[in-house]
Amino acid sequence: AQSVSQHNHHVILSEAASLELGCNYSYGGTVNLFWYVQYPGQHLQLLLKYFSGDPLVKGIKGFEAEFIKSKFSFNLRKPSVQWSDTAEYFCAVTGLAPRGGGADGLTFGKGTHLIIQP
Amino acid sequence: DAGITQSPRHKVTETGTPVTLRCHQTENHRYMYWYRQDPGHGLRLIHYSYGVKDTDKGEVSDGYSVSRSKTEDFLLTLESATSSQTSVYFCAIGRTGETDTQYFGPGTRLTVL
Repeated sequence: AQSVSQHNHHVILSEAASLELGCNYSYGGTVNLFWYVQYPGQHLQLLLKYFSGDPLVKGIKGFEAEFIKSKFSFNLRKPSVQWSDTAEYFCAVTGLAPRGGGADGLTFGKGTHLIIQP
Repeated sequence: DAGITQSPRHKVTETGTPVTLRCHQTENHRYMYWYRQDPGHGLRLIHYSYGVKDTDKGEVSDGYSVSRSKTEDFLLTLESATSSQTSVYFCAIGRTGETDTQYFGPGTRLTVL
């Protein structure tokens, strides 16, 4: 069974600080990796995703993530955070679907609650 | 906007009553999912569907059933609601052409008293 671990449950930063949120996964095969963001009171929005190719992926709002296969990691980064980045961040993984062409569902980490202080 | 609506958006019910949550999509996607979100647990998959009348169980399916009689609608039913099913329920779709990427609806907040 696959699992996802997010190391930091709560992170507090000041505006303009750099951000790195850790994510490690456990899965025996090829995986697809995602970061989602949930702003207060809203639904999940896709930040970025990795399927294959360049292990450094760029997403929306200046976020990026690096897939390190040897470490089973997919850490999220942003060089300079803003107050509007206050939100909950979820790392998720899905393996290749046995039926081919579709996903059997995402496995999520427990989330990191990020607070940016002005 | 992924063209997903959920109804109702909020519901309060009593233990032992049946509850049905509806997810409706406007984009004719094959894959649909139900998750629940609880503090400290992230999101967990309840059930999913890979076509009309084709469904399968997820990680936390006990106490829930689903039906999909039309492509656009995916229903989640709690046959006899319990307080442990108090949660926020999210529906998601897997977009055709990027089937491993899921897009989420606005959620339904369910309180079971």
